[in-house]
Amino acid sequence: AQKVTQAQTEISVVEKEDVTLDCVYETRDTTYYLFWYKQPPSGELVFLIRRNSFDEQNEISGRYSWNFQKSTSSFNFTITASQVVDSAVYFCALRDYNFNKFYFGSGTKLNVKP
Amino acid sequence: NAGVTQTPKFRILKIGQSMTLQCTQDMNHNYMYWYRQDPGMGLKLIYYSVGAGITDKGEVPNGYNVSRSTTEDFPLRLELAAPSQTSVYFCASSLQGDSGNTIYFGEGSWLTVV
Repeated sequence: AQKVTQAQTEISVVEKEDVTLDCVYETRDTTYYLFWYKQPPSGELVFLIRRNSFDEQNEISGRYSWNFQKSTSSFNFTITASQVVDSAVYFCALRDYNFNKFYFGSGTKLNVKP
Repeated sequence: NAGVTQTPKFRILKIGQSMTLQCTQDMNHNYMYWYRQDPGMGLKLIYYSVGAGITDKGEVPNGYNVSRSTTEDFPLRLELAAPSQTSVYFCASSLQGDSGNTIYFGEGSWLTVV
């Protein structure tokens, strides 16, 4: 069965702090894709990153970085020098290869205080 | 750049009423999805479709129906609305492929059943 777990329900940090959002997934597929989405207070879902199961290279995009480790089935997301505008709910998701279905974690609400 | 468009954005229904949430995409994606997001919760898959004429149930299909007569449109029908269907509904689409294409979301429809 496919499953995504985001154990952190809510995190609060002060601006400029670094913060890591955890994501653990379960799948029997050897080929799969992992995603992170941001949902700001306005409600829309914004795509942040996609990773396939064959590529364990970490990725950095500005203040965002992602650490993909197949050995621990984790795909963690770090925001460096957080800003108030980073306040949002962040979802981790898994897409299976065969059926193109997306499975979402329950989300982590990030509060960045000035 | 319309992407995924869903209407209405807000709706209040009385218990027992029926309504249809409209969803259309202009990206020629073969996969379409309906998710619901309850307050403070993650996304749960209601129904999905792999192409025109083909639909399948997701995790929480009870109380809903869908149809997919064209590639572009994927309406969600609520029959006999119940308070438990108060939620935010997201329509989404993706393109099947080895590249693990991203899922694109509409802006959401806020539904309240009173």
